[in-house]
Amino acid sequence: AAGVIQSPRHLIKEKRETATLKCYPIPRHDTVYWYQQGPGQDPQFLISFYEKMQSDKGSIPDRFSAQQFSDYHSELNMSSLELGDSALYFCASSLVDLAGGPRYEQYFGPGTRLTVT
Amino acid sequence: KQEVTQIPAALSVPEGENLVLNCSFTDSAIYNLQWFRQDPGKGLTSLLLIQSSQREQTSGRLNASLDKSSGRSTLYIAASQPGDSATYLCAVRPSTTSGTYKYIFGTGTRLKVLA
Repeated sequence: AAGVIQSPRHLIKEKRETATLKCYPIPRHDTVYWYQQGPGQDPQFLISFYEKMQSDKGSIPDRFSAQQFSDYHSELNMSSLELGDSALYFCASSLVDLAGGPRYEQYFGPGTRLTVT
Repeated sequence: KQEVTQIPAALSVPEGENLVLNCSFTDSAIYNLQWFRQDPGKGLTSLLLIQSSQREQTSGRLNASLDKSSGRSTLYIAASQPGDSATYLCAVRPSTTSGTYKYIFGTGTRLKVLA
């Protein structure tokens, strides 16, 4: 079965550079979520999209932006990178049942490990 | 604000033991709760998903229970094996009228099963 695809898997950038992370959800999933997991920490929600519209925003820095495209893939753009941005970035996708709430499981991708030097 | 905590933070047991991992959440208004496994530096592997209307879910040697009213879930691992060594995370999806369905993760339990 198809899973959530993230690219690249590893990324090394220098401070003040820009990075773009991509996420391809499971086919027919309509919702995409981005999470950030710092070293030794639990994943923290950044932002989500439902049907290409931003549906929720968490602790995402103003230097970051994201969008979901017509084919439902999503990109997380990170500018003016800082050392503290080094983390594992997860994308997840799910279906949302508007009548019954989010009954469906959230599937996580393998993550992109970003290292800022 | 929903907060999720897991006890213990770390656990080391000999192979073959049955063990229980605990997850507590402060707000009982949730849609569901999901247990994950994470190997060092790796992604999240979903283990079990419990809907708010359910009491437990089972998969192989794993059994997860949910007591929504008391804000607790437990993950029971039977006959533990060295291959079970990993960090176990629970995550809840709060009920909300705003249509947002993000997960709030617990702090994790780092499990080591000794051969």
